[in-house]
Amino acid sequence: NAGVTQTPKFQVLKTGQSMTLQCAQDMNHNSMYWYRQDPGMGLRLIYYSASEGTTDKGEVPNGYNVSRLNKREFSLRLESAAPSQTSVYFCATSEKVARPGEQFFGPGTRLTVL
Amino acid sequence: AQTVTQSQPEMSVQEAETVTLSCTYDTSENNYYLFWYKQPPSRQMILVIRQEAYKQQNATENRFSVNFQKAAKSFSLKISDSQLGDTAMYFCAYDRSGAGNMLTFGGGTRLMVKP
Repeated sequence: NAGVTQTPKFQVLKTGQSMTLQCAQDMNHNSMYWYRQDPGMGLRLIYYSASEGTTDKGEVPNGYNVSRLNKREFSLRLESAAPSQTSVYFCATSEKVARPGEQFFGPGTRLTVL
Repeated sequence: AQTVTQSQPEMSVQEAETVTLSCTYDTSENNYYLFWYKQPPSRQMILVIRQEAYKQQNATENRFSVNFQKAAKSFSLKISDSQLGDTAMYFCAYDRSGAGNMLTFGGGTRLMVKP
């Protein structure tokens, strides 16, 4: 099993460009999350999806949109990238019934906006 | 809002020795979960240990154990017999009521295990 996969692993954008970060999981988990990690800091929640068909804002949602395409996939879109969005982005999943609160993370996407 | 504070930005320990990483948190909830995650240079976030607030017994996982002081809102991680592979960033995290929807992370402690 691959667990949680993210594409791409690295990306460089120019200010104003758009892109979509992809996340897929084969763990059959209901909940999925997008975080960003800035240098020297912990992860901050951008958006989450408690179940297929639902999405909610986290701590830092401005400048991002998400789509929960199906149970397996959760994408994060930057419509007009800004240098402040340079960060490492992590996707995560969880299944609160079996293991409440525990989250499983993908390998991350390093995004640089010039 | 919940906050999680890790007051030690960096720590080092000799191989085979014991080290303790500190974490404090602020909450008005009575039931919640606490976690320690490890992030090695590969960037992968790995769960080290979890603690349920309603359980008084401190969690242990092999060489890793916690000292959970609910009244003091303190949650420290003890690593015994430190190994070179323990070198990583360690993040303390809080989850309200096990809902799994809003993990709040501390700023992290960079641990270096020296040979």
